[in-house]
Amino acid sequence: ETGVTQSPTHLIKTRGQQVTLRCSSQSGHNTVSWYQQALGQGPQFIFQYYREEENGRGNFPPRFSGLQFPNYSSELNVNALELDDSALYLCASSRRGQGRETQYFGPGTRLLVL
Amino acid sequence: AQTVTQSQPEMSVQEAETVTLSCTYDTSESDYYLFWYKQPPSRQMILVIRQEAYKQQNATENRFSVNFQKAAKSFSLKISDSQLGDAAMYFCAYRGINTGNTPLVFGKGTRLSVIA
Repeated sequence: ETGVTQSPTHLIKTRGQQVTLRCSSQSGHNTVSWYQQALGQGPQFIFQYYREEENGRGNFPPRFSGLQFPNYSSELNVNALELDDSALYLCASSRRGQGRETQYFGPGTRLLVL
Repeated sequence: AQTVTQSQPEMSVQEAETVTLSCTYDTSESDYYLFWYKQPPSRQMILVIRQEAYKQQNATENRFSVNFQKAAKSFSLKISDSQLGDAAMYFCAYRGINTGNTPLVFGKGTRLSVIA
């Protein structure tokens, strides 16, 4: 157990809908990163939040957006869902400034878009 | 851009034996971190071992050790005395060290089966 939690565990949506995924970071961590893991692939970086601001983004369109709250928890929002958005969404928390900055992952949210 | 390559999609090992998973990476940076993560069927990505590029000594965590060859850009994972619980997907990952927002770059993974 890493102390990073995600909700919900599973979600089914239809094309065009919107979805919000949630992540609570490990105690003492101030940075949250989101990754998309398609079936049979390694995780791909979506974006990172630090001090409530987006602080780095991968090759994902603007319909992927996020928030970080004062307690360092985070949300990932995806608008206008497409079939290819079906994947496991992982969040990872870390503590910036400690030098080691290892990312610890939550259990993920499995999203299926029909 | 950095890339990570895992050339073995699947590996198998007999219980109590030793297995080595391969990983190569490409980067122009001189300082960075390398990681091996384990992802069992429960999906939770679990950190197995970490290596700082500036350290010449190979990292070791109990039955897990790495062979880090910086010049060859190679970072293999050795699992000794394999156990049934070691069965999982293993991902090699790279992270730059210079800025705080550098994300992890993952390989495609190696599925390890452990045979009783």
